[in-house]
Amino acid sequence: GAVVSQHPSWVICKSGTSVKIECRSLDFQATTMFWYRQFPKQSLMLMATSNEGSKATYEQGVEKDKFLINHASLTLSTLTVTSAHPEDSSFYICSAKDGAADNSPLHFGNGTRLTVT
Amino acid sequence: GQNIDQPTEMTATEGAIVQINCTYQTSGFNGLFWYQQHAGEAPTFLSYNVLDGLEEKGRFSSFLSRSKGYSYLLLKELQMKDSASYLCAPMDSNYQLIWGAGTKLIIKP
Repeated sequence: GAVVSQHPSWVICKSGTSVKIECRSLDFQATTMFWYRQFPKQSLMLMATSNEGSKATYEQGVEKDKFLINHASLTLSTLTVTSAHPEDSSFYICSAKDGAADNSPLHFGNGTRLTVT
Repeated sequence: GQNIDQPTEMTATEGAIVQINCTYQTSGFNGLFWYQQHAGEAPTFLSYNVLDGLEEKGRFSSFLSRSKGYSYLLLKELQMKDSASYLCAPMDSNYQLIWGAGTKLIIKP
């Protein structure tokens, strides 16, 4: 089955620093990847859609200059949280569809738990 | 608006059967997904329904009624490892998944 790998699994950083999270599709090519954030006991919130070779599409309320997305190849998308603050502490999860159809199921990476001190 | 209604929490006994209901309202509809999410982990795909009826996959089955905006996930022969949150996620006309907070299922021995 489709495998999405996300790294790191967890990271602790100091306020004001930047953190990069990588998301790779291991056995399929993904022209589109999706970045989600999830706070405890809350639903998944789509942050942005990452498009290979073009700019990401951000959801309303998500600062594109703070959450930098790069999708340089068909198997790799990165999310950089710039100038992180404690309120950015959350569970970040990437995902990709394993098929060309718009209704193909999303497969998720293992997630990255970010703690900003 | 778009919304999903699922029970917040359910409890069941090991070896039993449990049905998790979901009602939804979306702008257009392109199918409905069920995901399982263990605490502290990312969701994993369970099932997809786009036509009315029951889809069976091992111990798990999912049902859809488009006219009623209703779906359920049926789990049989419950095991302790089934303790998790179950997310009902319909897909709207733009092929965007709509996520609710899910149903936390607690399995007791």
